[in-house]
Amino acid sequence: AQSVTQLGSHVSVSEGALVLLRCNYSSSVPPYLFWYVQYPNQGLQLLLKYTSAATLVKGINGFEAEFKKSETSFHLTKPSAHMSDAAEYFCAVSDGGTASKLTFGTGTRLQVTL
Amino acid sequence: NAGVTQTPKFQVLKTGQSMTLQCAQDMNHEYMSWYRQDPGMGLRLIHYSVGAGITDQGEVPNGYNVSRSTTEDFPLRLLSAAPSQTSVYFCASSYSWRQKQETQYFGPGTRLLVL
Repeated sequence: AQSVTQLGSHVSVSEGALVLLRCNYSSSVPPYLFWYVQYPNQGLQLLLKYTSAATLVKGINGFEAEFKKSETSFHLTKPSAHMSDAAEYFCAVSDGGTASKLTFGTGTRLQVTL
Repeated sequence: NAGVTQTPKFQVLKTGQSMTLQCAQDMNHEYMSWYRQDPGMGLRLIHYSVGAGITDQGEVPNGYNVSRSTTEDFPLRLLSAAPSQTSVYFCASSYSWRQKQETQYFGPGTRLLVL
């Protein structure tokens, strides 16, 4: 079975600072990896996804993530945090079965301070 | 397109009561699923469907029932509500279940409190 581990349930950064949210995966087959964002009292929205086309994936709102097979990681970064980035971020991996089921990590809440 | 819609937004139930959470999508998506979100546990898959008339269990199916009579609708039924089912429920859909890289689109969620 595939799994995802997100290190750090809460991350706090200053506005303008680098954002780094960590995600490590476990998979017996080449994975498809996703980052979703959830703003307060809303559903989840796709930020970006890795589908083996390129190891550096660019997403919306200035976020990007790099797939590193040797480290089994897919960390999410943004060079300069904005107050509007405050949200919960989820890393997810596609199930290896026949349906496009997602297995989610436990989430990281990002706080951005002035 | 309205995308994925869910009703109600919030519901309070007493232990033992039954109810149905509604989910609809207008994007002609094959794949639909239900997740529950609990603090510190991320989202866990309850049930999913790869097309009308086809459903299957996810990670945490006990106490829940689903059916898919049309492509658009995928209701989730709580047969006899328990306090452990207090959670936020999300419905999601994607165009094809055959591609593992498909983007899933989420509804706004239903917040359920079972007393």
